[in-house]
Amino acid sequence: DQQVKQNSPSLSVQEGRISILNCDYTNSMFDYFLWYKKYPAEGPTFLISISSIKDKNEDGRFTVFLNKSAKHLSLHIVPSQPGDSAVYFCAAVNTDKLIFGTGTRLQVFP
Amino acid sequence: DTAVSQTPKYLVTQMGNDKSIKCEQNLGHDTMYWYKQDSKKFLKIMFSYNNKELIINETVPNRFSPKSPDKAHLNLHINSLELGDSAVYFCASSPMIPGQGTSLHFGNGTRLTVT
Repeated sequence: DQQVKQNSPSLSVQEGRISILNCDYTNSMFDYFLWYKKYPAEGPTFLISISSIKDKNEDGRFTVFLNKSAKHLSLHIVPSQPGDSAVYFCAAVNTDKLIFGTGTRLQVFP
Repeated sequence: DTAVSQTPKYLVTQMGNDKSIKCEQNLGHDTMYWYKQDSKKFLKIMFSYNNKELIINETVPNRFSPKSPDKAHLNLHINSLELGDSAVYFCASSPMIPGQGTSLHFGNGTRLTVT
């Protein structure tokens, strides 16, 4: 039973445009969400997070939006750059552990 | 200066063998984890230790035995390896157990292939 879902396995975006990665969750008790970025042959690295008391958190080119009623969060990257090409995982804190989605592979082309 | 380092990076072995993966963190964190990323790329927690005490054991077969000799180390020993154990195993650490404001720092993974 997957509590955190990323339904798009891949996304292709032109450099300079906006990338929007989506994530859905099922447990309304989740109160903290994170996005991780992963390059091949490396571990995931933390990107940005959001608490359930907020609906938006911004850090440079990265913005995370949270819609609690829809149990949905999204990561916006603008402008997208070739170096953003990676796999992006969303994760939710459940009691004392992080539960990850299956990831979305983002490719930014020139 | 690697924050979370795990060895080996690649491990190829035969079914039935016993193998270990080592993990060390130099971040001074209290909590360490083992995650497994299977062929479907799903990152799933296996174990979590806080100050050398086991706090999460996610119904992992008892062929898998974690050991934390101190706060900075969390090793994973696997007995009687099976084909289905083939995966990438990630070690991670965090300052405290996950909650508001806490993120995990991951190692670069150990790709285990069982033949």
